[in-house]
Amino acid sequence: GIQVEQSPPDLILQEGANSTLRCNFSDSVNNLQWFHQNPWGQLINLFYIPSGTKQNGRLSATTVATERYSLLYISSSQTTDSGVYFCAVNGGSQGNLIFGKGTKLSVKP
Amino acid sequence: EAQVTQNPRYLITVTGKKLTVTCSQNMNHEYMSWYRQDPGLGLRQIYYSMNVEVTDKGDVPEGYKVSRKEKRNFPLILESPSPNQTSLYFCASSSSDIADYQPQHFGDGTRLSIL
Repeated sequence: GIQVEQSPPDLILQEGANSTLRCNFSDSVNNLQWFHQNPWGQLINLFYIPSGTKQNGRLSATTVATERYSLLYISSSQTTDSGVYFCAVNGGSQGNLIFGKGTKLSVKP
Repeated sequence: EAQVTQNPRYLITVTGKKLTVTCSQNMNHEYMSWYRQDPGLGLRQIYYSMNVEVTDKGDVPEGYKVSRKEKRNFPLILESPSPNQTSLYFCASSSSDIADYQPQHFGDGTRLSIL
């Protein structure tokens, strides 16, 4: 089945710093989503981005489908950005999202 | 507000006592699914439904049942819960039965502890 690898696994930032999270996937995909899991366990949908570039405030994402990777950019990080960021792609049965292991981000004040 | 609503959010129960986790979406979505999240194993799909009365197994269906009698609801049933079903559960929905081509929207999660 399709493999999803995220890097780095852990990231510690000072408030105000910028960061780039990476997601590599092993096969072509039709669906790629980025999620933020907050400390309360909620999965927040950040981007649906099977290809191209999108921006939402301080966050932006780029997926290069032909090279099988996606990047999530966080600018001017805030403590509320802390949590785990997941990349997920479609794989296997209909609509089955395959999640990477996530990047745990800690933003220090 | 468009949302996927799960209940309960938290539940502690005992082995063998049947329980149901409800999931409801107000977006008229065809596709719904259930995932469980476990440390070290990530999120894995349990069951999915492409429309009313159409359900199918995901990667980890053992010990679970689902039903889809109405478009908006997709309950997850644990007939005889066991401790290995202690987990964080998520319900998700998508606007198309070709779910690979649409974003999935997740509920806030249900933490189940089975003693």
